[in-house]
Amino acid sequence: DVKVTQSSRYLVKRTGEKVFLECVQDMDHENMFWYRQDPGLGLRLIYFSYDVKMKEKGDIPEGYSVSREKKERFSLILESASTNQTSMYLCASSLIVGMGELFFGEGSRLTVL
Amino acid sequence: GESVGLHLPTLSVQEGDNSIINCAYSNSASDYFIWYKQESGKGPQFIIDIRSNMDKRQGQRVTVLLNKTVKHLSLQIAATQPGDSAVYFCAENMGGGGADGLTFGKGTHLIIQP
Repeated sequence: DVKVTQSSRYLVKRTGEKVFLECVQDMDHENMFWYRQDPGLGLRLIYFSYDVKMKEKGDIPEGYSVSREKKERFSLILESASTNQTSMYLCASSLIVGMGELFFGEGSRLTVL
Repeated sequence: GESVGLHLPTLSVQEGDNSIINCAYSNSASDYFIWYKQESGKGPQFIIDIRSNMDKRQGQRVTVLLNKTVKHLSLQIAATQPGDSAVYFCAENMGGGGADGLTFGKGTHLIIQP
């Protein structure tokens, strides 16, 4: 089975802290994505990557950056966390961009105080 | 902004009945659609997909219908079971094979009444 693993299920951080959310997939997928999920807003794309060291902005990249140094790992970085970044963060991977199944991790629930 | 939306945020059905979850999309160039199921505390899971050259596709207990004329997508779940309780999302690919993945709707919460 495809497995997308997000390292932290729950995090509590303070405003201004730097936050790293890690995601690893084991299916050798080229494409990886970070979404945030908020009640009433659904899933919104933050960043995606279709190759190692490549990254593209999604719909809401402000306040975030990403790193893809290895194919299997895609990290989301909050340089200076703010309370409006309290959310559920979902990592996903896929074999074919825009077609075919996205495989999601279990999510990382971040609370910024 | 999102072009994919759902008609109802919450749908309550009796166990054993059929469920129909609806989704409207606005981009006529969208050529691929997926339904996801998200159970509480878990990430979304793929249910079924359909390409724009089809109007119906069936899976195990689920059927997706696509009406391109009115840009409407629906998910039918037969003989709904307690394990079907979840939030269901439709998602569309906006066409052109772009590298930005899928656009998701806001979700419908399916509640199963005993």
